Amino acid sequence: DQQVKQNSPSLSVQEGRISILNCDYTNSMFDYFLWYKKYPAEGPTFLISISSIKDKNEDGRFTVFLNKSAKHLSLHIVPSQPGDSAVYFCAASAVIGGNNRKLIWGLGTSLAVNP
Amino acid sequence: NAGVTQTPKFRVLKTGQSMTLLCAQDMNHEYMYWYRQDPGMGLRLIHYSVGEGTTAKGEVPDGYNVSRLKKQNFLLGLESAAPSQTSVYFCASRPGLAGPGGQYFGPGTRLTVL
Repeated sequence: DQQVKQNSPSLSVQEGRISILNCDYTNSMFDYFLWYKKYPAEGPTFLISISSIKDKNEDGRFTVFLNKSAKHLSLHIVPSQPGDSAVYFCAASAVIGGNNRKLIWGLGTSLAVNP
Repeated sequence: NAGVTQTPKFRVLKTGQSMTLLCAQDMNHEYMYWYRQDPGMGLRLIHYSVGEGTTAKGEVPDGYNVSRLKKQNFLLGLESAAPSQTSVYFCASRPGLAGPGGQYFGPGTRLTVL
């Protein structure tokens, strides 16, 4: 059973508009949430994170919103640029077993930003 | 500072052959991970290590072995490759337990088993 769900496999947005990528989770034990970006033939790269005690974190064009009651987070990219075209993974983090922190990954959303 | 590097980048094996994938990081990170990525499956954890000399199983460990003899290296071995192990393999590392747990990834190894 998937604990982290990205229900939209793909998203297409016009350049300059807002991209909104969504992520839902099921487990209340997660204390951090992270977004990664992945280009073809490259490894994922960290984009932005948010603590479970926050409801918003902003870094330049990227903002992550967390709604704990709904167990939902979203990544907003404003304005979207063609270079943002990539697969975006949502991941949830929790301390497990005392000396390990585990990341649970969503399946990813492929974003296409059209010029 | 090269970050996380993986060797080789590509490899084609025949069923039953063995090979070792090498991951190296120069950031003095304690934790290292091996993932595989398959279409529609996201990233699945194979094995991980919480420090030099330690290894532990992830969610899909069968058919793989790992070793962490040196802090900077994490090796993934396939003793008898099967077509089901055709995948892209990613190594990752992170410094420690504190913080959100963000991992630094290598560029990946594309493995095809015929």
